[in-house]
Amino acid sequence: AQRVTQPEKLLSVFKGAPVELKCNYSYSGSPELFWYVQYSRQRLQLLLRHISRESIKGFTADLNKGETSFHLKKPFAQEEDSAMYYCALNRKAAGNKLTFGGGTRVLVKP
Amino acid sequence: GAGVSQSPSNKVTEKGKDVELRCDPISGHTALYWYRQSLGQGLEFLIYFQGNSAPDKSGLPSDRFSAERTGGSVSTLTIQRTQQEDSAVYLCASSIGQGEGNTIYFGEGSWLTVV
Repeated sequence: AQRVTQPEKLLSVFKGAPVELKCNYSYSGSPELFWYVQYSRQRLQLLLRHISRESIKGFTADLNKGETSFHLKKPFAQEEDSAMYYCALNRKAAGNKLTFGGGTRVLVKP
Repeated sequence: GAGVSQSPSNKVTEKGKDVELRCDPISGHTALYWYRQSLGQGLEFLIYFQGNSAPDKSGLPSDRFSAERTGGSVSTLTIQRTQQEDSAVYLCASSIGQGEGNTIYFGEGSWLTVV
């Protein structure tokens, strides 16, 4: 069975400091990984996906199949990055049925 | 519409009552999903509709939960004989369809409180 683990429930960093949100997954097939973000009082929205290999709002994430990880990183955190972040796994063979991690709350302090 | 629309946005109900939650997906999206977001439980998959195929109900927690999608568009999630543990945010989402790279768009959720 597939599983997504986000070990940190809360990350508190100062503005301008680097931030890294950890995500590990278990899945026997070829995974499709995503990061979703939920800002205060807003709906859950896609931040980035591994197949796009893009940087969104300064965030990047690299899929490491050897370590089964998809950690999210930003070199210089901003206060507006404060939000809830969810890592998600899509089993390609089963439609777009996402399995989410438990989420990490990021608090960026001024 | 501009996005996935859900109603009601907030619902307080008494234990034992039935509730219906509605979802209007983005126009043209053939795939529709229901998720539940509980405090301490993260996001839990409930049910998935794709076009005219039989829905994937594998995430429904009990037979008190059911969902339908009429005309391939609007969906209703029904919870019968609600229990306090059903209190959660119920999220609806839609996407263009199956396939790698399809972005899933979420609604703002329906906050259900069972007292």
